[in-house]
Amino acid sequence: GESVGLHLPTLSVQEGDNSIINCAYSNSASDYFIWYKQESGKGPQFIIDIRSNMDKRQGQRVTVLLNKTVKHLSLQIAATQPGDSAVYFCADTHYGGSQGNLIFGKGTKLSVKP
Amino acid sequence: DADVTQTPRNRITKTGKRIMLECSQTKGHDRMYWYRQDPGLGLRLIYYSFDVKDINKGEISDGYSVSRQAQAKFSLSLESAIPNQTALYFCATSDPGLARYNEQFFGPGTRLTVL
Repeated sequence: GESVGLHLPTLSVQEGDNSIINCAYSNSASDYFIWYKQESGKGPQFIIDIRSNMDKRQGQRVTVLLNKTVKHLSLQIAATQPGDSAVYFCADTHYGGSQGNLIFGKGTKLSVKP
Repeated sequence: DADVTQTPRNRITKTGKRIMLECSQTKGHDRMYWYRQDPGLGLRLIYYSFDVKDINKGEISDGYSVSRQAQAKFSLSLESAIPNQTALYFCATSDPGLARYNEQFFGPGTRLTVL
């Protein structure tokens, strides 16, 4: 039968506030993680990555936190701007499993109110 | 990413028609991928290819086929389109030799509607 899409998790924040987007992964053997940003009408674009030997990594206005114990990943965006409005995906991979292919989460839609 | 292009960008077709979506890249990457995106379901891998002679099924390959005509070209075919294949399709490339391990670079997408 015809598939029905699931409701996309949504986060709404005020411009200037900090945003936190969460992601859970299932493969305890995953050793590399990426956050992607997808703006309307475009393909996903790389934001930041982290390897399993780290628990925190910072970029420009973004920070990724990794908790391997509970298989949880988060993306923090500081001073959120209207241009940050997009769908955010986490992805994980394990080199040697499926030859390193990425497994994508279902995504979170971030809306920034001016 | 302008280095990965997809044609067409939009396509409306009818049930039972054969459709081909094309992907070209100028990044010189060996690895290419086709994904399908449905609302609330994220990106699901259809097929992937690690070089011209290599084709592998992904999570949801039924009803699809691919051809890797050259390092730079990877096409996706729907042999007999059905409404359930209405979705946004993305092509991606990667090079495991890059500093960012297995980062994938995405094209702009093809929106396919099957009536």
